[in-house]
Amino acid sequence: DTEVTQTPKHLVMGMTNKKSLKCEQHMGHRAMYWYKQKAKKPPELMFVYSYEKLSINESVPSRFSPECPNSSLLNLHLHALQPEDSALYLCASSQEDRGLNTEAFFGQGTRLTVV
Amino acid sequence: LAKTTQPISMDSYEGQEVNITCSHNNIATNDYITWYQQFPSQGPRFIIQGYKTKVTNEVASLFIPADRKSSTLSLPRVSLSDTAVYYCLPGGYQKVTFGTGTKLQVIP
Repeated sequence: DTEVTQTPKHLVMGMTNKKSLKCEQHMGHRAMYWYKQKAKKPPELMFVYSYEKLSINESVPSRFSPECPNSSLLNLHLHALQPEDSALYLCASSQEDRGLNTEAFFGQGTRLTVV
Repeated sequence: LAKTTQPISMDSYEGQEVNITCSHNNIATNDYITWYQQFPSQGPRFIIQGYKTKVTNEVASLFIPADRKSSTLSLPRVSLSDTAVYYCLPGGYQKVTFGTGTKLQVIP
């Protein structure tokens, strides 16, 4: 199984809502990532988890809250988002012992629209 | 992190070989160079990775000169389904930071 599964595929939420994005992989990867991608732009790194611990936070606003409950799951909790947060949110995973000197597997993304 | 420079876009006819060059002047000694392909509204997909000289797999070749300050992705005999954005990533530990990428348009 070389898949990274993201749910939901599409999400529409109001600015006062709380929602969560989910990501799952069963490749035994111990590094997991969240990226945000706006239309016609490259993916931007948000967070990196290494062995279930947050290792990189790219100065992301606190309305985005990541969580890694176990080695296979990665969540992104959303609260009080703004319309400009509308984007494709991508999850990825890779082998931790080689860092990114190896292939990273990406999910298909969650298309988020904030209204 | 190594900053990358790639052409913003390229056009090619079906059946042609396409070469996309990426410059990464300040690549670190331990960095590998990885290329990803991305179709609209999908996650990026790994194509190929190398450290130096030449690497070839079933879909592409990667040429890296001795100074490693650039790399060239070669796609043999492209088809319409190769229309996508191609990203070059000189990778460090944990961080995979994407540059602007090259939008390849394959023309019938």
